[in-house]
Amino acid sequence: DTAVSQTPKYLVTQMGNDKSIKCEQNLGHDTMYWYKQDSKKFLKIMFSYNNKELIINETVPNRFSPKSPDKAHLNLHINSLELGDSAVYFCASSAALFGVLKTQYFGPGTRLLVL
Amino acid sequence: TQLLEQSPQFLSIQEGENLTVYCNSSSVFSSLQWYRQEPGEGPVLLVTVVTGGEVKKLKRLTFQFGDARKDSSLHITAAQPGDTGLYLCAGGAPDSNYQLIWGAGTKLIIKP
Repeated sequence: DTAVSQTPKYLVTQMGNDKSIKCEQNLGHDTMYWYKQDSKKFLKIMFSYNNKELIINETVPNRFSPKSPDKAHLNLHINSLELGDSAVYFCASSAALFGVLKTQYFGPGTRLLVL
Repeated sequence: TQLLEQSPQFLSIQEGENLTVYCNSSSVFSSLQWYRQEPGEGPVLLVTVVTGGEVKKLKRLTFQFGDARKDSSLHITAAQPGDTGLYLCAGGAPDSNYQLIWGAGTKLIIKP
């Protein structure tokens, strides 16, 4: 069974389009995250939700909008895609926000290429 | 802003050799984690260290947390091709309740 799953795994699209990436975790965790990993492999946190409530909202263009319909899901919608949005996007979850329980379990990533 | 610097950025060695990679900061962390990321996959947790001076062993991997909780090292003995991957450290900042601070990673290649 996949603990954290993301769809799609690959996404190739044109500049200006709107796209969504879905994430689901079956670990019963309270906290979910979205990360962006650029070509240099640096992981940068974008958003964190705890019990469906937005906790972390780093400096991310407002073209990116997360949505958590329930604790097991955290989707990412991107409007007006730009070339610089090309990256690998990882979803992750943790049992809690605090202490060692914030150990994060990552999904396989969504490789986004904007042409 | 707390930063974690990892060194070296890239390391390519022959199977059977030993190696050490480092994760350093000028700030104190409440805990530190090491993850390994294989190509096409997400990072996977290897270990968490929480006490200054703590040493943990995971088969051929030895992890150490610095006495002052500002740095950590990962030593691999007799490296194998299966150890190939991106090694990331992530620290839990004492004054940040919410998130991990991530290093940029060490890309390790073990040649057969």
